[in-house]
Amino acid sequence: AQSVTQPDIHITVSEGASLELRCNYSYGATPYLFWYVQSPGQGLQLLLKYFSGDTLVQGIKGFEAEFKRSQSSFNLRKPSVHWSDAAEYFCAVGAGIDYKLSFGAGTTVTVRA
Amino acid sequence: NAGVTQTPKFQVLKTGQSMTLQCAQDMNHNSMYWYRQDPGMGLRLIYYSASEGTTDKGEVPNGYNVSRLNKREFSLRLESAAPSQTSVYFCASSQGGYRTNEKLFFGSGTQLSVL
Repeated sequence: AQSVTQPDIHITVSEGASLELRCNYSYGATPYLFWYVQSPGQGLQLLLKYFSGDTLVQGIKGFEAEFKRSQSSFNLRKPSVHWSDAAEYFCAVGAGIDYKLSFGAGTTVTVRA
Repeated sequence: NAGVTQTPKFQVLKTGQSMTLQCAQDMNHNSMYWYRQDPGMGLRLIYYSASEGTTDKGEVPNGYNVSRLNKREFSLRLESAAPSQTSVYFCASSQGGYRTNEKLFFGSGTQLSVL
């Protein structure tokens, strides 16, 4: 079965600074890859996804992610963080016979003024 | 446009009590899901329904039952609540299921405490 690791539990970043969230997965073939964001008290919202093609994927809210097969990684980036980006971010992997999603434990992002 | 609606938003139960979490979607989606979210563990799939009339176990089905009442509604039942079921529960839906690489639409969650 596939697994997803988000090594960073909590990241604090200054407003206007860049942000990178790490995601590593274990699966033999190329899985479906997703990043979701959860604002406080809300459900999850899809930021972006990757299945095939260009390994640099653009998403909503100015986020992008890069798939690196050699590193089994799908890291999320944003060049300049806004206070509204404070949230919890989840990486998810769809793989296996039925492509059920497995979610990482999440990374909480705090934005300081 | 309501999307995915979950009720109730908050619930406190005593050990051994039963309750049903309700979920409805208005997007005509075929697939629906129930997840639980626990600190440090991300979201774990409890049950899902790939289409009306079908349900399948996910990663953590023990202690839960589900009913796909119709295409719109997918309920989650706790027959005898236990403190280990204290969690935040999310319902989600998608048009085509996991295989189609489509995004999931999530409800806003139900915070359940079992004392």
